[in-house]
Amino acid sequence: GDSVTQMEGPVTLSEEAFLTINCTYTATGYPSLFWYVQYPGEGLQLLLKATKADDKGSNKGFEATYRKETTSFHLEKGSVQVSDSAVYFCALPPLIQGAQKLVFGQGTRLTINP
Amino acid sequence: EPEVTQTPSHQVTQMGQEVILRCVPISNHLYFYWYRQILGQKVEFLVSFYNNEISEKSEIFDDQFSVERPDGSNFTLKIRSTKLEDSAMYFCASSERTATYGYTFGSGTRLTVV
Repeated sequence: GDSVTQMEGPVTLSEEAFLTINCTYTATGYPSLFWYVQYPGEGLQLLLKATKADDKGSNKGFEATYRKETTSFHLEKGSVQVSDSAVYFCALPPLIQGAQKLVFGQGTRLTINP
Repeated sequence: EPEVTQTPSHQVTQMGQEVILRCVPISNHLYFYWYRQILGQKVEFLVSFYNNEISEKSEIFDDQFSVERPDGSNFTLKIRSTKLEDSAMYFCASSERTATYGYTFGSGTRLTVV
């Protein structure tokens, strides 16, 4: 079945460091791809998405490019801030007609130190 | 920006008791979902609901769970006889279209079974 694998956390960085969180997927076709973020004590918020190969999703300084050839959707940010501390989830929507389930990666906890 | 609202934010219940978790989805959304997240673990799909019936459910969603849209605005998850392992954060979500486009999550209800 479809699946998502994220890099193991936790990840701890200093402010202004460069961030990469890896995400790879297994799917029978070419789905859309999402990154969700969960700030402490809050729900899941859609951070960015890409709907087809070579698309780049971006939001709040974060970017991710949908790479069909490597089945990846790595999340990057050039200069992280303390406020970026959160858990980040890569997610894959269903391709099967009528299916509704989002498949989530295991989440990567990011802590940014001042 | 429209929000999915969940109440209560935290509920403590005794093992064996029934609980009802409540959600108010975004008003023009047609698809509704429940997910859960056991502390520190993956976000797991429970059920999706469309056109007043369950459209998909996971193996977690057994006979002790039920969902209802009683009045056209609320969407509830009932757990009939809670077990210790039901302790988790429960997230409601809704979407205007199918899951392919992503959906909006509520901030969650933390259920603690003692």
